Amino acid sequence: SQTIHQWPATLVQPVGSPLSLECTVEGTSNPNLYWYRQAAGRGLQLLFYSVGIGQISSEVPQNLSASRPQDRQFILSSKKLLLSDSGFYLCAWEKRSGGYTFGSGTRLTVV
Amino acid sequence: AQSVAQPEDQVNVAEGNPLTVKCTYSVSGNPYLFWYVQYPNRGLQFLLKYITGDNLVKGSYGFEAEFNKSQTSFHLKKPSALVSDSALYFCAVGYGGSQGNLIFGKGTKLSVKP
Repeated sequence: SQTIHQWPATLVQPVGSPLSLECTVEGTSNPNLYWYRQAAGRGLQLLFYSVGIGQISSEVPQNLSASRPQDRQFILSSKKLLLSDSGFYLCAWEKRSGGYTFGSGTRLTVV
Repeated sequence: AQSVAQPEDQVNVAEGNPLTVKCTYSVSGNPYLFWYVQYPNRGLQFLLKYITGDNLVKGSYGFEAEFNKSQTSFHLKKPSALVSDSALYFCAVGYGGSQGNLIFGKGTKLSVKP
């Protein structure tokens, strides 16, 4: 079966600390993968998408970066977190039939 | 520029009554339209999509949406609301000739009271 895993579920990090959120998919090959962020009271914002290993497109310039070291692995990172990085982060996998399957999300609080 | 608008921050309905969550869009070319539901602190779940074909699209949990090209709308509807339908609903539009890149509306909180 096709599934998507995202962890951790919640994270509290101090300002200036690094960040690494991981997303993996199972049951599919060469998926298009996406990172979205949902800030409090706002809609989803596309951060990065990847159509293959090592291929990353950034939609919004900011304090974050993404990497795709393996076909089914997509990582969201930051070297130094800012307070404004707080939010709910969602990894998504684009299904060939259309639409997305989303991970369960990571609630990041930067303090 | 592509955009999606959900004009209502919150929609309140009584259980058993019909519900509508509104969505309008602006996109160049043919739109790919989606509705997602988000329960508290959880990821989004796919409800339905419009790519082409019949303007009335039926989705999960008894929801449906009607694509109206002249009004550039894609309102989400359900004939009889349940308390368990209470959640945050997002409309999204795909752009760039692909379903891959989506723009999401800001979301509408649906509250269904018994």
